[in-house]
Amino acid sequence: AQTVTQSQPEMSVQEAETVTLSCTYDTSESDYYLFWYKQPPSRQMILVIRQEAYKQQNATENRFSVNFQKAAKSFSLKISDSQLGDAAMYFCAFGHQAAGNKLTFGGGTRVLVKP
Amino acid sequence: DTGVSQDPRHKITKRGQNVTFRCDPISEHNRLYWYRQTLGQGPEFLTYFQNEAQLEKSRLLSDRFSAERPKGSFSTLEIQRTEQGDSAMYLCASSSAGNTIYFGEGSWLTVV
Repeated sequence: AQTVTQSQPEMSVQEAETVTLSCTYDTSESDYYLFWYKQPPSRQMILVIRQEAYKQQNATENRFSVNFQKAAKSFSLKISDSQLGDAAMYFCAFGHQAAGNKLTFGGGTRVLVKP
Repeated sequence: DTGVSQDPRHKITKRGQNVTFRCDPISEHNRLYWYRQTLGQGPEFLTYFQNEAQLEKSRLLSDRFSAERPKGSFSTLEIQRTEQGDSAMYLCASSSAGNTIYFGEGSWLTVV
């Protein structure tokens, strides 16, 4: 079974600064996908970024980027130039095709953005 | 295409009553997933469908929970004889072969 761990319950960042969220996972699979989802107070889960395990290049999406360390089973998210709208819960998630791509989520990290 | 749609968004029910939630996935998506999320926690997988086939239901929380997707389009999640511990957000999601899963806004259940 896969497990996903987010060790930071809450992170605070000043507007325009950078914050990094940690995520580690445990799996015996070799082909899988990792995701970061954002859940604002409205509660709809929104995809932020996705990483395929077979790709060595770290995914980027505008101000969001990941540091994927496959051997260490680590998948951190960096939010650059933080904006007030980035305030939300962020969830790291693991999925793989053999399990129908159903996702296993971490416990989440709340990001607070200070103006 | 307006994304994954869930109905109702909020439901308050008395303990012991049955409730049903509906999910309409993104139209071209053949996979549909149900998750449960309690306050302060990450979503917990319940079950999923590929077209009309329910491929995994072992994570449904008890035999009071059941899900259907009769024509491979919309799905329903029913909870019978609700208990206070069933109070949670029930999230539906869908995907195609592209693997990225898209979520609906969720159905919030309060059992009183």
